[in-house]
Order: sequence, then structure tokens, then C-alpha cells
Amino acid sequence: QVQLQESGPGLVKPSQTLSLTCTVSGGSISSGSYYWSWIRQPAGKGLEWIGRIYTSGSTNYNPSLKSRVTISVDTSKNQFSLKLSSVTAADTAVYYCARDLWEYSSSYFDYWGQGTLVTVSS
Amino acid sequence: SYVLTQPPSVSVAPGQTARITCGGNNIGSKSVHWYQQKPGQAPVLVVYDDSDRPSGIPERFSGSNSGNTATLTISRVEAGDEADYYCQVWDSSSDHIFGTGTKVTVL
Repeated sequence: QVQLQESGPGLVKPSQTLSLTCTVSGGSISSGSYYWSWIRQPAGKGLEWIGRIYTSGSTNYNPSLKSRVTISVDTSKNQFSLKLSSVTAADTAVYYCARDLWEYSSSYFDYWGQGTLVTVSS
Repeated sequence: SYVLTQPPSVSVAPGQTARITCGGNNIGSKSVHWYQQKPGQAPVLVVYDDSDRPSGIPERFSGSNSGNTATLTISRVEAGDEADYYCQVWDSSSDHIFGTGTKVTVL
């Protein structure tokens, strides 16, 4: 059973960089046709996809966040990471990591982490 | 960019059928996936590729997709089905898009 666990600071100051790591267990991050995604959800609001990475290092980002997002992978640690720069209060949200199963013209999230709340405040 | 529209809320009595729609331009040409999210929990995939169910998801959950509307149907609704439901598609130009979400209330 694949499990994902987010970790990182729960409080980030405005204008600084939010950094989170997702640790994958129960399977190799390098196996199969999987991307690895970050998704966020502000309190009381819907889900917003941030971006994803393949183990080759290939990335895709949400155009609305692309200029501030970097996603990287460390296959030796079975982890992938998110960096979001120049944060504001609008970036306060629960951040989820998820396994992104890609097949031809379809792609969906079959395993999710429990989520971690990141608050942007001075 | 591609937009997916869901009704904000659906109310249903126990034992009845809930239908949650997801509207998008020619959504029938895309694969639609559905997630259930209970308060304080991560979303759970309940239907993928329009109508397939992951292992462990009850047969009461089913999906369809045609034209400009995809539908998640929950038959014989139980109190435990009360949650937020999101549709999602992947598009080569927009990547991942989530619907606006629907809160299902069991009366």
C-alpha cells in the first residue's frame, strides 16, 4: 500500500519561500507510469492543482503559479518537494501531495497524503 | 482555460439516489474522475475514467459522461456519504482541472 506524507514548516512569513517535502513509502517513486503532484486547498474552498513531476525530472505547472513554483524529486530518498516563492496570505492552505497516475489521455490521483496546513503570516 | 462547473450543494434522503453533475465544454470527450472529501480529511478517489471504481469503493458509486455533462450517481445513499465531491479532468493544454465542488447533505 503506497503512502505519502507531507512535511515542512507550518508557518511562513510573507515574501518568503514555502518549502514542503513529500515522502513516499510502500513503493518506489521511480516505478510505474506515475507523476507526483502537489495540490492545495484554502480553508473552505476547492482544490487547486499546483504542479507535478516525473521521476525523469520532467515537470508541469499550473500556469497561474508557474512563475513561483519549483518541484523537484530525490529518487534516492523516495521524496519529491515543492518550493513556492514570494508567498502572500493568499497562499495559506492545506497542501497535499498525491500520486498522479497517467495513462494515455487520462490522469488522476489515486493516493493522497493527509495534507499539511501552511499559514502565511508575519 | 477549461472550466468545470458543479452545483454547490445537493440534498438527499437516506436510501435515495444522489446525482452530482460536472459541466464542461465537450466534457464527454475527456476522462472524468471523482473524489470524495470528508471534513478534515484528504480527498479519496471514488470513480476514475468516467465510470470505473477503485478497489474498495462500493458499487453504489457510479459515473457517466456524455456531451457537456458528467454525472456521479450515489445510489442508496447513507449518512456516511455526506461529504464534498469534486470532479477532475486532465487536459493536454490545461493539465489538471478540478470542478468547483459539491456538498452532499444527507437529510
